[in-house]
Amino acid sequence: AQTVTQSQPEMSVQEAETVTLSCTYDTSENNYYLFWYKQPPSRQMILVIRQEAYKQQNATENRFSVNFQKAAKSFSLKISDSQLGDTAMYFCAFMKRNTGTASKLTFGTGTRLQVTL
Amino acid sequence: GAGVSQTPSNKVTEKGKYVELRCDPISGHTALYWYRQSLGQGPEFLIYFQGTGAADDSGLPNDRFFAVRPEGSVSTLKIQRTERGDSAVYLCASSLSGGKTEAFFGQGTRLTVV
Repeated sequence: AQTVTQSQPEMSVQEAETVTLSCTYDTSENNYYLFWYKQPPSRQMILVIRQEAYKQQNATENRFSVNFQKAAKSFSLKISDSQLGDTAMYFCAFMKRNTGTASKLTFGTGTRLQVTL
Repeated sequence: GAGVSQTPSNKVTEKGKYVELRCDPISGHTALYWYRQSLGQGPEFLIYFQGTGAADDSGLPNDRFFAVRPEGSVSTLKIQRTERGDSAVYLCASSLSGGKTEAFFGQGTRLTVV
């Protein structure tokens, strides 16, 4: 079984600054995906960024980037130039890579991010 | 529709009653997932459909919970003899196929059992 741990229940950052959210995971799998999802008050989970475990290069999506350390089983999210619209819950998630079939997501407990003026 | 639609948005029911939660996935998406999100927690997997069949129902907590997807599109999550501990947000997601493709989530149904 997989576990995902987010040790920061809440974080705060000023607008235009940079913030890093932490995530560690535990698995015996070698092939998997890692995700960061954003959940605003509307409750809809929105995919922020995805990392494939077999890729050494860290994923980036505009202001969002990850620091993926496979040996340490660490997967942190860096948000640059923070915007008020980034205020939300952020969830780290793990998915085993299956060939031809779906696989469930295992989520952490989330980090509440508040962006302030 | 443009996205995953879940109805109702909110549901309040009395302990012991039966409830049905509906999920209308993105057109053409063959994979459909149900998750449950308790207060202050991340979503927890309940069940996954590939087409009409439940490919993985290992997350259903007990036999009071059941889900169907008879025509491979709309899915209904059914909860019998509801308990206060069933109170949570129930999220549905769909994807083109399993595995590699992105799962798109609905806005969930907040179920409150009083």
